[in-house]
Order: sequence, then C-alpha cells, then structure tokens
Amino acid sequence: GIQVEQSPPDLILQEGANSTLRCNFSDSVNNLQWFHQNPWGQLINLFYIPSGTKQNGRLSATTVATERYSLLYISSSQTTDSGVYFCAVPLTGGGNKLTFGTGTQLKVEL
Amino acid sequence: GAGVSQSPRYKVAKRGQDVALRCDPISGHVSLFWYQQALGQGPEFLTYFQNEAQLDKSGLPSDRFFAERPEGSVSTLKIQRTQQEDSAVYLCASSLVGDNEKLFFGSGTQLSVL
Repeated sequence: GIQVEQSPPDLILQEGANSTLRCNFSDSVNNLQWFHQNPWGQLINLFYIPSGTKQNGRLSATTVATERYSLLYISSSQTTDSGVYFCAVPLTGGGNKLTFGTGTQLKVEL
Repeated sequence: GAGVSQSPRYKVAKRGQDVALRCDPISGHVSLFWYQQALGQGPEFLTYFQNEAQLDKSGLPSDRFFAERPEGSVSTLKIQRTQQEDSAVYLCASSLVGDNEKLFFGSGTQLSVL
C-alpha cells in the first residue's frame, strides 16, 4: 500500500517563528489533506490540496503531485498552533478512505 | 448540526462487555467514516458508509466490530465482547459525496477496556 512519511517528527518553536513541515508519499494521489490535532484530540481539517498552493491566514500548503510531496508552512507561530500535524492520502484510488502519515509533533513556546 | 457529534466522549468497559458508540454527522453529508486512533499513532480507517449503505468494512479488525447507519444519518459502531486491545479513540468523520471533498472529524470517543 501507499506509504506516507512526514518530517520532522518533532519540532519546538519560539512564538513568532516560521516553520515548514513536509509530507512524502510513495504513489500518485488525487486527494491530499492536512490536519491539525490539538492537545485535546480534536482533528481539524486545514487544507484539501491534491496539487498547487493554498493559503489560509498564517498557514499555507503546497503539493507537488508529480514529485510526490506536500509542504505545510506555518508563519508567525502561536502557542495555539501546538499539537500534531498529519497529512493524509487515499489508501486506494480516491475518496476519503485515508491513510495518515506519521505526524509532526509541534510545540510552540513563549 | 454545526459539526460531527460523537457520544459518549469517554467510555470505560470491563473486558467482555459490549459497547455502542454514536456518531451524528454534519447535516447533508452523505459519506460517513469510522477511524480508530491508538495512542501516539495516526487514525486508521475502519469502515465507510454512503447514505445507509456500508460500502467498505475492510478496516474492521475482527467480527466483534459492527457498524450501522440504518437511516443514512446517525451511525453506531458496536464492539462486542471488548478486549484490552480495543482500547483506543474512535473517530467518526463525514464529508459530502465525491472524491474531492474535505473530511471533517468529530471529537472522538475514548474507549478504555479494563
């Protein structure tokens, strides 16, 4: 099956810093989503981004489908950005039967 | 509703008991998914409904797990004769029909089997 790897596994930032999270996947996909799981366990959908670039406030994401990777940019990080960031792609074909990456644990400190 | 609603938020069961976990998806969302998340891991797919039809149950770990969505809205995940290895967070998610739709998750039910 498709493999999804994320880097770095852990990241500690000072408030206000910028960061880039990476997601590599082993096969072509037509669906890629980024999620943030906050410290209380809630999974929030950040982006649906099978290709191209999208921005939402301080967050933006870019997927280069031909090279099988996606990047999530966090600018001017805040303590509320802490948590685990997952990328996810379809297990087979398309749709929302997803396999999740290994995750990046982010901690933003004052 | 405004979001995906799950209940109970926490469930403690003695080994061998049956449990039922409820999911109320976002109104109008045709597709409903159940995922299982073990501690420190990403969610793993269990099963998928489109309306009342269960189209994929390939992720259910054993025949002790059963899911239904009889009227195409609320869904229930039932686990019979719970075992300690069933302890996990069970997440429900919904989306509009189609391959190009964002997936929205509920807060999950944390199941602890003693």
